[in-house]
Amino acid sequence: QVQLQESGPRLVKPSQTLSLTCTVSGASLSSGDYYWSWIRQSPGKGLEWIGYIYYAGSAYYTPSLRGRLTISVDMSKNQVSLNLRSVTAADTAVYYCGRDDSCGSVDYWGQGTLVTVSS
Amino acid sequence: QSALTQPPSASGSPGQSVTISCTGTSSDVGAYNYVSWYQQYPGKAPKLMISEVTKRPSGVPDRYSGSKSGNTASLTVSGLQAEDEADYYCSSYAGSNIVLFGGGTKLTVL
Repeated sequence: QVQLQESGPRLVKPSQTLSLTCTVSGASLSSGDYYWSWIRQSPGKGLEWIGYIYYAGSAYYTPSLRGRLTISVDMSKNQVSLNLRSVTAADTAVYYCGRDDSCGSVDYWGQGTLVTVSS
Repeated sequence: QSALTQPPSASGSPGQSVTISCTGTSSDVGAYNYVSWYQQYPGKAPKLMISEVTKRPSGVPDRYSGSKSGNTASLTVSGLQAEDEADYYCSSYAGSNIVLFGGGTKLTVL
């Protein structure tokens, strides 16, 4: 059974970098069958796709975050990472990782982790 | 690219059918048969209910169905049950490795 678990700091100061890790079990990132997504949800708001990565390292980002966002993969640890630089309060959200078929169909999700940007 | 457009709310009585729309453009919903629908309960992660416009993953009741016409996709829930009360989100592939979500629809079972 595929399971995903997000981890990382729950509180980040404005202008700093938000870093999260998604640990995948029950599936190998190196199988090449799927993309691995990050999706966020601001409090009381809808879902926002922020990007995904293929095991070979090709990452794709939503245009509004391009320039601040890096998604990477560590196949030795079967983990996907997210780094969002120069954060503001608008980046406060629950961040989910998920397994994507590359066309937006996410069939497995992590439980999500709330990250608050505040001084 | 802009988010897909969904009605903020929908409702129906137990046993009835309700349809939620998801409107995009000719560059996303209208261009690709890659529309997905998700169900989300408060405080929980979303759950995939429909993929590729009409495909139901294993374990999803057949009361849930999807369709598409032009730039608008739809999710229909038939035989409404109390457990169907949740938020529903659509997503669509928009080309160039970009995915868009809709703003979400809160479904209330009266």
